[in-house]
Amino acid sequence: EAGVTQSPTHLIKTRGQQATLRCSPISGHTSVYWYQQALGLGLQFLLWYDEGEERNRGNFPPRFSGRQFPNYSSELNVNALELEDSALYLCASSFYLVGGGAFFGQGTRLTVV
Amino acid sequence: AQKITQTQPGMFVQEKEAVTLDCTYDTSDPSYGLFWYKQPSSGEMIFLIYQGSYDQQNATEGRYSLNFQKARKSANLVISASQLGDSAMYFCAMRVSSAPIFGTGTRLKVLA
Repeated sequence: EAGVTQSPTHLIKTRGQQATLRCSPISGHTSVYWYQQALGLGLQFLLWYDEGEERNRGNFPPRFSGRQFPNYSSELNVNALELEDSALYLCASSFYLVGGGAFFGQGTRLTVV
Repeated sequence: AQKITQTQPGMFVQEKEAVTLDCTYDTSDPSYGLFWYKQPSSGEMIFLIYQGSYDQQNATEGRYSLNFQKARKSANLVISASQLGDSAMYFCAMRVSSAPIFGTGTRLKVLA
């Protein structure tokens, strides 16, 4: 069974540009979560999608947005990139509100120069 | 409000010894899940173990066990027979009716 896959693995953008990160969940999982992990720090919750809807949002500005497609894959868009957006972006998937773990992809390392 | 607390920024353990990583949580919801993840230097988050709030027995997965003390709201991870490959960041997480929230992590270093 395929795990959570994220693309691209690395992304380098210039300040002010837009970045698009992609995530494919484990088959059968309907919930997708996005987290930001700045270097040496913990995981900050960004967004939660389930069944195509945004269920919850972390304390991030509106230039962080995303969506979930009918096949449950998800996109994270970051507009007007700032230097401090440089971080590891992790996507996880799980069943909706059912016991068991949330499983992570390998992450996308975004560097803003 | 829900909260996860890991009070040990760093820990050392001798190879082949057991080590306990602390985690306390706070929630007023009776239904929740607790998790532990390992993050090596490569950055991937590896799921280790899960404990549901209604589970009667402590969860175990190989060398990992979760010491679940509901009354004290603690969910400590015990790693038995530590190996050099266990050196990594370890995160405790909790999921209630929303996205999982994470503690600040404990960096474990296994010494040869």
